[in-house]
Amino acid sequence: GNSVTQMEGPVTLSEEAFLTINCTYTATGYPSLFWYVQYPGEGLQLLLKATKADDKGSNKGFEATYRKETTSFHLEKGSVQVSDSAVYFCALSVRGSQGNLIFGKGTKLSVKP
Amino acid sequence: GAGVSQSPRYKVAKRGQDVALRCDPISGHVSLFWYQQALGQGPEFLTYFQNEAQLDKSGLPSDRFFAERPEGSVSTLKIQRTQQEDSAVYLCASSLRPFSGQETQYFGPGTRLLVL
Repeated sequence: GNSVTQMEGPVTLSEEAFLTINCTYTATGYPSLFWYVQYPGEGLQLLLKATKADDKGSNKGFEATYRKETTSFHLEKGSVQVSDSAVYFCALSVRGSQGNLIFGKGTKLSVKP
Repeated sequence: GAGVSQSPRYKVAKRGQDVALRCDPISGHVSLFWYQQALGQGPEFLTYFQNEAQLDKSGLPSDRFFAERPEGSVSTLKIQRTQQEDSAVYLCASSLRPFSGQETQYFGPGTRLLVL
């Protein structure tokens, strides 16, 4: 079946530290990969996505590269800010399915000043 | 522009009551999804509409759960005879086109349901 595994949190970092949140997946088809973010008190919003192997999604200083050989889509940011504190969800969807997203359990990030 | 809206934002129900949760998708969006998010977990798919057609309801946990989108815009998720295990945040999302696996889904703020 299709599933997403992401590193468990919480992750606590100091401002300007480097961030990596690991995400690996299993999929029966050829998936598109997404990172969604949920800021405190707000709804889920798309952070970035990649739809084919070797694509790099980027937004707000965050990046993730679709690695088919390692079935991974790790999220990285070179210098985190306090405002990046949120819960991050890795997700996939498979072409040809009716179209639901399959999410990981989420990783809570706290950035301290 | 207006995003996806959901109402009510919070709902407390006594066990055995029926509840109805409303979703207003972004205007013109063809696809609409419902998800259930338990505390500390990622959202889990419940059902998918393309316009008024419910194309996938494989994620609905029991026949107490029912969803409709009669005119292809607003959708209602109804839970009959609520149980404590139904306590969760119910998320609605919409996307512009029929889902191809690549479309971005836009999420509403969710309805937090607590069943006592």
